[in-house]
Amino acid sequence: EAQVTQNPRYLITVTGKKLTVTCSQNMNHEYMSWYRQDPGLGLRQIYYSMNVEVTDKGDVPEGYKVSRKEKRNFPLILESPSPNQTSLYFCASSPGHPTYNEQFFGPGTRLTVL
Amino acid sequence: KNQVEQSPQSLIILEGKNCTLQCNYTVSPFSNLRWYKQDTGRGPVSLTIMTFSENTKSNGRYTATLDADTKQSSLHITASQLSDSASYICVVSVQTGANNLFFGTGTRLTVIP
Repeated sequence: EAQVTQNPRYLITVTGKKLTVTCSQNMNHEYMSWYRQDPGLGLRQIYYSMNVEVTDKGDVPEGYKVSRKEKRNFPLILESPSPNQTSLYFCASSPGHPTYNEQFFGPGTRLTVL
Repeated sequence: KNQVEQSPQSLIILEGKNCTLQCNYTVSPFSNLRWYKQDTGRGPVSLTIMTFSENTKSNGRYTATLDADTKQSSLHITASQLSDSASYICVVSVQTGANNLFFGTGTRLTVIP
């Protein structure tokens, strides 16, 4: 089944404890992206990747890191999480740039930072 | 300023009734507009995409319209079902720039029996 998977689905952590949220897609998509979704603000892009080893900042990149060593994986790293990073996170992938291609979203990761 | 505004924020309707969700945008230069459906606890799923030259597009009981002159789009749901309960997100793309997707904050639809 074609899909985007994220792990973990739920995570409660404490301020400053490094964490990684994994994202994997099995559709051979070139473009991958991370979003956060907060009430009243909608989806905001954190980072995106046009292809392997090519990543760039989205609208809200502060406090996050990403890497794209393989085409299928695009992990999101929080080196020192803070409470304002409590949010619902979505990974998405598309065959090419999402302007002209449908994005496929993962199931989401709900993160709480205490 | 590029913005996408959706209305209403939330809506409750009886099963079997029709409803219309609105999306107004100030995005320019316009490329296309997508409607996504997001079930609770799930990621968004694309319902339809509309380009500048398209006025209406249907996907089952969902019909999207686009008026590029007034920069408005609507999503009409016919004969609503309980499974239509979800958030509906409007996303507008511009033709230029790396970060060129603009998301609305969504309309939360609840269909009650």
